[in-house]
Amino acid sequence: AQSVTQPDIHITVSEGASLELRCNYSYGATPYLFWYVQSPGQGLQLLLKYFSGDTLVQGIKGFEAEFKRSQSSFNLRKPSVHWSDAAEYFCAVSSGGYNKLIFGAGTRLAVHP
Amino acid sequence: NAGVTQTPKFRILKIGQSMTLQCTQDMNHNYMYWYRQDPGMGLKLIYYSVGAGITDKGEVPNGYNVSRSTTEDFPLRLELAAPSQTSVYFCASSYPRGADTGELFFGEGSRLTVL
Repeated sequence: AQSVTQPDIHITVSEGASLELRCNYSYGATPYLFWYVQSPGQGLQLLLKYFSGDTLVQGIKGFEAEFKRSQSSFNLRKPSVHWSDAAEYFCAVSSGGYNKLIFGAGTRLAVHP
Repeated sequence: NAGVTQTPKFRILKIGQSMTLQCTQDMNHNYMYWYRQDPGMGLKLIYYSVGAGITDKGEVPNGYNVSRSTTEDFPLRLELAAPSQTSVYFCASSYPRGADTGELFFGEGSRLTVL
């Protein structure tokens, strides 16, 4: 069965530091992969997605992610974190058609000034 | 452009009560979904719909019902509320994948507490 694992429940970084959030998936075929961000009290917003082609994808707010098939990973990165990036981040894989998504448990990011 | 609108935003229910969470979207999306979010568990799919009159179960459908009489509306009904249904509920919508987006558009959520 398809699944998504986000190994880090909570991460704290200093403002201006680089960030990498980990995501591992289990999926039999070529996956469609997504990263969403949820600010406190808000719904989820798409950061970026991977369907095919270039394995390094760019998203909004300066985020990027790299698809590595050999490692079944789709890690999210940002070179310099801003205080406004504090939020919860969800990795997801498309499962069974109709754009249904399986989500990871999420990683909560805190940013220290 | 309102996007996906959910009501109510907050609700407290007593065990055994019933209620309906409303969801409407103004983007003319064919696909709509209900997810629940529990701490440390991510989001789990309850029900989804691929068009008016068509609904199907997701991963955690027990205790819930849905209907889709119009493209815009996708209400979620809890018939006999139980403490296990305490959660934050999100409605979402999307285009068919033929439009090559795969993106889900989410409402702001409805926080439900069952006591």
